[in-house]
Amino acid sequence: GAGVSQSPRYKVAKRGQDVALRCDPISGHVSLFWYQQALGQGPEFLTYFQNEAQLDKSGLPSDRFFAERPEGSVSTLKIQRTQQEDSAVYLCASSLVQGLYNSPLHFGNGTRLTVT
Amino acid sequence: GNSVTQMEGPVTLSEEAFLTINCTYTATGYPSLFWYVQYPGEGLQLLLKATKADDKGSNKGFEATYRKETTSFHLEKGSVQVSDSAVYFCALCSFKTSYDKVIFGPGTSLSVIP
Repeated sequence: GAGVSQSPRYKVAKRGQDVALRCDPISGHVSLFWYQQALGQGPEFLTYFQNEAQLDKSGLPSDRFFAERPEGSVSTLKIQRTQQEDSAVYLCASSLVQGLYNSPLHFGNGTRLTVT
Repeated sequence: GNSVTQMEGPVTLSEEAFLTINCTYTATGYPSLFWYVQYPGEGLQLLLKATKADDKGSNKGFEATYRKETTSFHLEKGSVQVSDSAVYFCALCSFKTSYDKVIFGPGTSLSVIP
């Protein structure tokens, strides 16, 4: 398919476990964003990549959260020592170029993380 | 900081009713404004956009006008259909030093009943 792909679609983790969430953006898309969406809320910005460079990680809620995009395509969001408050849907979005006026965000379906 | 406020849902309408979902924003400078829609089981997708004051964005029968004087971007549709049932997110985009950052409102759930 030509869309943004995220895996797994659902993840259940015991408190204290580490998790890794994967995002495959649309091929050739320069910009990649991660958002966190709590139940009944809008997406909250976590971090932004332009190719392989992480230009903004100001939204990461703690140092347990880490994101990478080593080759400028696939990205992984890692959460260490998960806590119950980490339960949310994690959304990945990509855009062709920097400059959202002519290059809208394309979202994946998200990964729903439940920490028990 | 920048923020977006939307009317609380859920909103339930009968088919062919008129829809308004209110959205107001707080931002420095001149942000671009968007409406995104999330259909059940699907990812968010762009519905419409406007980039400057008095611009009107439109798509699929939905419209929204960028009102700088009232800092608003209300979504309207003259006659809703069951297929419009979804969650609608108002969003703004402000340019950071090196990229565009999108900030979303909390979303408004719409259910349209036959």
